Amino acid sequence: GQQVMQIPQYQHVQEGEDFTTYCNSSTTLSNIQWYKQRPGGHPVFLIQLVKSGEVKKQKRLTFQFGEAKKNSSLHITATQTTDVGTYFCAGRTSGTYKYIFGTGTRLKVLA
Amino acid sequence: GAGVSQSPSNKVTEKGKDVELRCDPISGHTALYWYRQSLGQGLEFLIYFQGNSAPDKSGLPSDRFSAERTGGSVSTLTIQRTQQEDSAVYLCASSLVSGTSNQPQHFGDGTRLSIL
Repeated sequence: GQQVMQIPQYQHVQEGEDFTTYCNSSTTLSNIQWYKQRPGGHPVFLIQLVKSGEVKKQKRLTFQFGEAKKNSSLHITATQTTDVGTYFCAGRTSGTYKYIFGTGTRLKVLA
Repeated sequence: GAGVSQSPSNKVTEKGKDVELRCDPISGHTALYWYRQSLGQGLEFLIYFQGNSAPDKSGLPSDRFSAERTGGSVSTLTIQRTQQEDSAVYLCASSLVSGTSNQPQHFGDGTRLSIL
């Protein structure tokens, strides 16, 4: 079945450093969504990518969708303590409304 | 309410008992998802409802798990003869559905289920 892996599993950075998490699917995706879950909270939608090679930016966050639509990345520039949380990608394949969530990357920012 | 509402927020029960978890989606959202999240883990897809279509039950881990959605709105997830490995946070999400279904999912706060 479809699998979505994320690396790294954990990342500790000093405040101000950059951070990147990578998402890899075993199958070609129709679209991919990114979510952030703060400790003790529920996942909150960040962004969606649909087109091959698409790049989207939200302030310090940059999201990319691979040319083959099987991988994606989230890059945070100059991390802040408010960036702490777990970042999940969620991919959907064509013909289904089901999203498979990645394993998540837990980010800790040290002040 | 404005968001997805789940109840109860916490449930502690003895092994072997049945439990029922409730999800009230955002008004107008026709898609509804159930996920399970074990401590420190990712989200495991359980079941998906869309309008009057047959639900996608491919993620239900065993026949002890079932879910229904009445009137296209409120959904209940039932776990029969609970086991300790069923302990987890059960999250519900709803979304609008377009022709491509590329809509964000809005999550509830979850039900934390603990099996003693």
